[in-house]
Amino acid sequence: GNSVTQMEGPVTLSEEAFLTINCTYTATGYPSLFWYVQYPGEGLQLLLKATKADDKGSNKGFEATYRKETTSFHLEKGSVQVSDSAVYFCALRDNFNKFYFGSGTKLNVKP
Amino acid sequence: EAGVAQSPRYKIIEKRQSVAFWCNPISGHATLYWYQQILGQGPKLLIQFQNNGVVDDSQLPKDRFSAERLKGVDSTLKIQPAKLEDSAVYLCASSFPDGLKGYGYTFGSGTRLTVV
Repeated sequence: GNSVTQMEGPVTLSEEAFLTINCTYTATGYPSLFWYVQYPGEGLQLLLKATKADDKGSNKGFEATYRKETTSFHLEKGSVQVSDSAVYFCALRDNFNKFYFGSGTKLNVKP
Repeated sequence: EAGVAQSPRYKIIEKRQSVAFWCNPISGHATLYWYQQILGQGPKLLIQFQNNGVVDDSQLPKDRFSAERLKGVDSTLKIQPAKLEDSAVYLCASSFPDGLKGYGYTFGSGTRLTVV
């Protein structure tokens, strides 16, 4: 079946540090891959996506590359800010338009 | 542009009581989804509607959960009777139909349910 595994949190970084949140997936067919962000008390917001192998999604300084050979979609940012503190969810969407989410990784950025 | 509207934002009920949540999707979105997000976990799909028909309810605990979308627009999700393990955030999402690969997929802010 389809599933997403992401690194457990919380991840605590100092401002301007480099961020990596690992995400791997298992899927049949050709899924699309997503990163969503959830700020406290708010809904899920799409951060970036990639729809096919080797695509790179990017937004607000975050980026992730769809790696079919390693079934991964790791999230990276070169220099995090306090305002990036949130919970990040990796997800895949299968050919039937169903989403499968990872368990989320909480990021705390300290000034 | 108006987003996916959900109400109430918060609800606290005692176990064995009933509760209902409401969702108004983005105008023009034919597909509507209800997700359950338990604390510390990612959202899990409960039910998917295409217009007023159910596409997938395989993960919906049908002995206590029900959902409807009678006119193909608004939707309600009901729990009767509630259990402690139903405490979660219930998210509604909507999108254009599958033929457009779920274009415009948008989540609401959710309803946080606490069962005591």
